[in-house]
Amino acid sequence: ETGVTQSPTHLIKTRGQQVTLRCSSQSGHNTVSWYQQALGQGPQFIFQYYREEENGRGNFPPRFSGLQFPNYSSELNVNALELDDSALYLCASSLDTDSNQPQHFGDGTRLSIL
Amino acid sequence: AQSVAQPEDQVNVAEGNPLTVKCTYSVSGNPYLFWYVQYPNRGLQFLLKYITGDNLVKGSYGFEAEFNKSQTSFHLKKPSALVSDSALYFCAVRERSGYSTLTFGKGTMLLVSP
Repeated sequence: ETGVTQSPTHLIKTRGQQVTLRCSSQSGHNTVSWYQQALGQGPQFIFQYYREEENGRGNFPPRFSGLQFPNYSSELNVNALELDDSALYLCASSLDTDSNQPQHFGDGTRLSIL
Repeated sequence: AQSVAQPEDQVNVAEGNPLTVKCTYSVSGNPYLFWYVQYPNRGLQFLLKYITGDNLVKGSYGFEAEFNKSQTSFHLKKPSALVSDSALYFCAVRERSGYSTLTFGKGTMLLVSP
């Protein structure tokens, strides 16, 4: 069983740039969620995708956007990067949107904004 | 709005001693509750969940958690700590009904000394 994989592992950008982070979900999982984890904090929910549609969003501005593909892999796009966007970005997949299903996390992408 | 409180930034325990990591939650309905562990430079790893039934839930690596509805708590426990248990632990909550997001606490660092 292949787990959740994310790429790249590290990324350095400057303010105003755009970035795309990628996630391959665990085999058989059709739901992907993205989280932002700032240093010393718990993960904050960005949005969730189910069968290629966004079906939930946290308190993040529209410059955070995403996609899910037919194979259930996903992308997180962030435009107009700001210094506060520096964080660990985590992708998590689950069997479906059922609230009692645990989410399985990748190791994240560490994004640093200079 | 749902929330999770982990009142201790850090818990120190000697190897072989029992450990407890505290978590309290606030949610409008009945909760699903989760514990995750994060090792350095890694994503979150699922430990256990409470859905319904027995208030004592057993999970991975000898961990267990006790659900207390009247105190709105879900404390993580282990009878005998190992040095390898040293990591960052997150409690998370989700409402049962309808669509809801997974909300995490800020995390508790567990340090087990030899």
